Amino acid sequence: GENVEQHPSTLSVQEGDSAVIKCTYSDSASNYFPWYKQELGKGPQLIIDIRSNVGEKKDQRIAVTLNKTAKHFSLHITETQPEDSAVYFCAAASGTYKYIFGTGTRLKVLA
Amino acid sequence: EPEVTQTPSHQVTQMGQEVILRCVPISNHLYFYWYRQILGQKVEFLVSFYNNEISEKSEIFDDQFSVERPDGSNFTLKIRSTKLEDSAMYFCASIQGLANYGYTFGSGTRLTVV
Repeated sequence: GENVEQHPSTLSVQEGDSAVIKCTYSDSASNYFPWYKQELGKGPQLIIDIRSNVGEKKDQRIAVTLNKTAKHFSLHITETQPEDSAVYFCAAASGTYKYIFGTGTRLKVLA
Repeated sequence: EPEVTQTPSHQVTQMGQEVILRCVPISNHLYFYWYRQILGQKVEFLVSFYNNEISEKSEIFDDQFSVERPDGSNFTLKIRSTKLEDSAMYFCASIQGLANYGYTFGSGTRLTVV
């Protein structure tokens, strides 16, 4: 079945620096790749997503890139702020809408 | 913004007892899901539900688990005889349909089995 690997497991950056989180997936049929932010005690919140027919998508300080050939996709957060501190999960999905999540990255933005 | 509502937020139960976790998906959504997250671990798929039946379930979703949409608004997850290892956060999610893959998750129910 599908497997999603996510790295790093923890990431500390200085406020204003960029953060990059990387994921790889195994199932070439996966065609949708969302990123979720989870704050303490809350459910995951969708922050950005990308479909397999697109290589890059940007929304203000957040961008996602997808390399279908290599089966990896990355989340880029620029100009990080303390409120970006959270756990970030990547996921891969195919037509069944079942998400396979990565193991999560705990991002700490140091003021 | 429409929300997925889950109740209770925290449930403590004795091992062997039955629990029902409740979810109210977004009203025009058609696909419903339960996921769980054991403390500090990744979010794992349990089951998907569409058109009043299970469309897919994981190995975790054994005979002790069942789902129901009893009244057209609520979506419930029942665990018949809870085990210690069922302790986790349980998240409900829904999506509108084919054109929209992005789940809306509820805020979760923390289940503690003692």
